[in-house]
Amino acid sequence: DAKTTQPPSMDCAEGRAANLPCNHSTISGNEYVYWYRQIHSQGPQYIIHGLKNNETNEMASLIITEDRKSSTLILPHATLRDTAVYYCIVRVPYSGGGADGLTFGKGTHLIIQP
Amino acid sequence: DTGVSQNPRHKITKRGQNVTFRCDPISEHNRLYWYRQTLGQGPEFLTYFQNEAQLEKSRLLSDRFSAERPKGSFSTLEIQRTEQGDSAMYLCASSFNGRGTDTQYFGPGTRLTVL
Repeated sequence: DAKTTQPPSMDCAEGRAANLPCNHSTISGNEYVYWYRQIHSQGPQYIIHGLKNNETNEMASLIITEDRKSSTLILPHATLRDTAVYYCIVRVPYSGGGADGLTFGKGTHLIIQP
Repeated sequence: DTGVSQNPRHKITKRGQNVTFRCDPISEHNRLYWYRQTLGQGPEFLTYFQNEAQLEKSRLLSDRFSAERPKGSFSTLEIQRTEQGDSAMYLCASSFNGRGTDTQYFGPGTRLTVL
């Protein structure tokens, strides 16, 4: 089962910042938070990941609370093309032993309104 | 484009037939994963390879499913005696273990319809 909880859907106006929350209250100390998104009928697209510090790349920013029990993905200026299902995943990156695949929940369906 | 590629993109088959899908990972990625996604659900992990070795299989991977990665490069996923319940999107991902946090990058998927 997924170790994260996300709202099933959210709306955001085009041009505004989209803030997608994720709860991961049982996260372990060595687990990272990963975000992917999936546009209809396409494969999941990697967005960003982090351990405890806030992270930013060309796509988004990831804000992780100090206790690491929740995080927020921020799309600073949402466009219609950002309409997708966004998945928040926690996992331990491979470190030499066995490793599981990613465990996806149902994600948040973000709809950008014109 | 040097991303993960999958072929075919779509496959329609009749129940009972065998099908095979191919995945070409990102060059130099040593890990390759297979996932399955049914309508309205997130992807579910099936199996993964480190180079040519298959290291893990999900309980979702029934005996009718077999995956190979013979030379540690491309991989094939075969489904024998297909059933209507096999209709799904089959996704492949690859990553490089040994640097950073082993981020998986996905291909576009192969959509299977079993009639």
